[in-house]
Amino acid sequence: TQLLEQSPQFLSIQEGENLTVYCNSSSVFSSLQWYRQEPGEGPVLLVTVVTGGEVKKLKRLTFQFGDARKDSSLHITAAQPGDTGLYLCAGSHAGGTSYGKLTFGQGTILTVHP
Amino acid sequence: EAGVTQFPSHSVIEKGQTVTLRCDPISGHDNLYWYRRVMGKEIKFLLHFVKESKQDESGMPNNRFLAERTGGTYSTLKVQPAELEDSGVYFCASSRGLINEQFFGPGTRLTVL
Repeated sequence: TQLLEQSPQFLSIQEGENLTVYCNSSSVFSSLQWYRQEPGEGPVLLVTVVTGGEVKKLKRLTFQFGDARKDSSLHITAAQPGDTGLYLCAGSHAGGTSYGKLTFGQGTILTVHP
Repeated sequence: EAGVTQFPSHSVIEKGQTVTLRCDPISGHDNLYWYRRVMGKEIKFLLHFVKESKQDESGMPNNRFLAERTGGTYSTLKVQPAELEDSGVYFCASSRGLINEQFFGPGTRLTVL
């Protein structure tokens, strides 16, 4: 069962364009993380959002957690070739034996052309 | 501070053989997680250790998979006997506490022929 639907799966854009990646679920998460993964490496955490409606900014990247804590988005402004990579969202639930376990979306492969 | 390391980086085995993957977490991290990504699918949770104890093993596919973390330091994941559908990238992650960031290793790419 796919609990986190991430879209789009592939995104190919020109340098300078803006883009948004979405992560949606029917489940409520206590927190949601966004990761970036480079070839041959493991995912690296970009940000964690924990409060419904929360917005976090990391340079040109803006992350938002939905009010109901079921969805999230990653917006990149003026994309650069260095932003190319695999972006993953992952949610976690607080409490119980599953605390700490991450549920991942399928990922978005972003290619930014010069 | 050294990151999470995994060994081997790649493993190619034949169906029916045994393979053991190793993960060395960041020193001092009590929490250790195993995840797997099979081709075309999302990264999926396998299990979670707190020190040497299995906190959650709900993601383990079947009894061909055995994970251990003796002494609460490094962990091994053994697949015996391996099947074709076990092919994928196995990631290990560690964190200091349950609410802390999980740091991922580079993964072990397992190919079962």
